[in-house]
Amino acid sequence: EAQLLESGGGLVQPGGSLRLSCAASGFTFSDFAMTWVRQAPGKGLEWVSTITPGSNTYYADSVKGRFTFSRDNSNSTVSLQMSSLRAEDTAFYYCARSGRSTTTLNWFDPWGQGTLVTVSS
Amino acid sequence: QSALTQPPSVSGSPGQSVTMSCTGTSNDVGRYSRVSWYQQSPGTAPKVLIYEVTKRPAGVSDRFSGSRSGNTASLTISGLQAEDEADYYCSSYTSDSTLAFGGGTKLTVL
Repeated sequence: EAQLLESGGGLVQPGGSLRLSCAASGFTFSDFAMTWVRQAPGKGLEWVSTITPGSNTYYADSVKGRFTFSRDNSNSTVSLQMSSLRAEDTAFYYCARSGRSTTTLNWFDPWGQGTLVTVSS
Repeated sequence: QSALTQPPSVSGSPGQSVTMSCTGTSNDVGRYSRVSWYQQSPGTAPKVLIYEVTKRPAGVSDRFSGSRSGNTASLTISGLQAEDEADYYCSSYTSDSTLAFGGGTKLTVL
């Protein structure tokens, strides 16, 4: 069974940096695109970034230039390096796998349980 | 990058059918088949119900179905059950090579 486990969330001051990680298991990690989706408390889902098996990356305009998405196929992990954090980046961050190995920016399954990032002074 | 438009809420009684919409543009929902629907219950991660407009993953009840007409996709839930009460989100690939989500629809089972 494919599983994802996020880590690295926490409280950070505005302008600060934080690195989220997502450990994958139960599938051939190197074959799948991975994605981060965030959800501000009580709000809807927002796509953040996607990385292909070959490490091509896509970003939402709201995070472009501030967030960097990377992957380590040897350790089956992805990381989201977040810098210049703002209050509006406060959210639960979910790691998700592409629903099929041959597709990117399509559907996501499974999802991790999320990690909370709070940007506040 | 604009969000897709979903009604904030819909409701129905047990056993009834409900349909919720997801309106985009000719640059996303109307152009690409990469339209998906997710169900999210409080405190849990989203779960995919429908992918590629009409396809249902293994294990998802056949009470859930998806369709599209023009720039609007729809999710229909038949034989409504109390456990269906949740938030529902649509998503679509866009011509900007990004992914857009709808604002979400809260389903209330009366």
